[in-house]
Amino acid sequence: QLQLQESGPGLVTSSGTLSLTCTVSGGSIRSSSHYWGWIRQPPGKGLEWIGGIFFSGSTNYNPSLQSRVTMSVDTSKNQFSLKMTSVTATDTALYYCVRLPLEHYFDSWGQGTRVTVSS
Amino acid sequence: DIQMTQSPSTLSASVGDRVTITCRASQSISSWLAWYQQKPGQAPKLLIYKASTLESGVPSRFSGSGSGTEFTLTISSLQPDDFATYYCQQYNSYSTFGQGTKVEIK
Repeated sequence: QLQLQESGPGLVTSSGTLSLTCTVSGGSIRSSSHYWGWIRQPPGKGLEWIGGIFFSGSTNYNPSLQSRVTMSVDTSKNQFSLKMTSVTATDTALYYCVRLPLEHYFDSWGQGTRVTVSS
Repeated sequence: DIQMTQSPSTLSASVGDRVTITCRASQSISSWLAWYQQKPGQAPKLLIYKASTLESGVPSRFSGSGSGTEFTLTISSLQPDDFATYYCQQYNSYSTFGQGTKVEIK
């Protein structure tokens, strides 16, 4: 059964860089039928799509975050990663890694990792 | 970008009730719409994709309909496990979510 597990610092300094990794188990990140992505949820609020990446490295990002976001994939480790620069308090959220079929809905989710941006 | 608006924001219902949640898109998204259920402290769970296709393992009391700009999620007979927050998501152009509908006990 596919499992996704987020990891990374839970506390990031304002104006710094948020870095998270998602480890995929029970399946290969080299799937030709899926993208891999990130979604976040600020405390008590709704869901925001951050972006997605194919195992080849092809990416698509939320236009509102594109200038600050970079995603990468490491097929040898079955992992993909998120970097978000110039973070502020508004980036404080629960960050989920997800799997996307080619149609780009989200059919498998990690448990989420909480990131707090502090000044 | 495409805006998604759900109604109502909160819904009070009893076990056994038929429940309908509406999601409207700011422009046509064909049938590129999914529905998710989220319980407190848990990740969202996919219920329906392509507007009306039930995800494997999801109870048949859940159904989705609509196309273009107006969509509905229906729970035919609300069960105790169904009290949760529901989100719609469009994936016609990038991806955006509705603000959520909380289904609470009446």
